[in-house]
Amino acid sequence: KAGVTQTPRYLIKTRGQQVTLSCSPISGHRSVSWYQQTPGQGLQFLFEYFSETQRNKGNFPGRFSGRQFSNSRSEMNVSTLELGDSALYLCASSLGSSGTDTQYFGPGTRLTVL
Amino acid sequence: GENVEQHPSTLSVQEGDSAVIKCTYSDSASNYFPWYKQELGKRPQLIIDIRSNVGEKKDQRIAVTLNKTAKHFSLHITETQPEDSAVYFCAPWSSGSARQLTFGSGTQLTVLP
Repeated sequence: KAGVTQTPRYLIKTRGQQVTLSCSPISGHRSVSWYQQTPGQGLQFLFEYFSETQRNKGNFPGRFSGRQFSNSRSEMNVSTLELGDSALYLCASSLGSSGTDTQYFGPGTRLTVL
Repeated sequence: GENVEQHPSTLSVQEGDSAVIKCTYSDSASNYFPWYKQELGKRPQLIIDIRSNVGEKKDQRIAVTLNKTAKHFSLHITETQPEDSAVYFCAPWSSGSARQLTFGSGTQLTVLP
């Protein structure tokens, strides 16, 4: 099976712009979770989507949003970018039937905000 | 929400020695306890996990032990090898209101040849 893929892999934006990141889960996986990884804050949970519905949300401002399509692919959007949004954004997919299903991570999108 | 503490933050061992990393959590409803390994520049990968009805699980050189009463679980790596050098994260999961993986701050393990 193909693994989780994310596009683009690298992105450079300036403050105030918005950005959309994409995640394609493993075939058959219905849950996609998004995480932000920074040296200072570590790995932080953004949100989880299951069957096109946001099932869970972390403690991030409303500038961070996401959605999931009927084929389970997911996108996350960050509006009005700030310098502090520079990070590695990881998505992870799982079967989603149980919270204890193994999560498989994608390679991440490295976002740099100038 | 879940508070997770992971210790130590850095650990250096000689090749062949053992390494132990401890993770303490706060949510008594946590019932799934995975450990992830992230090599430099790569994605996190699950290396071992345990569920709350089991006290210990082994997979070759890797083991995880769980103490639900004290709310901590530990990763044990025996006969360490240079390829074990990576950052290790614990990520207890709660079936309660959180319903999410809360990652520890990570442990940088360096295995010295």
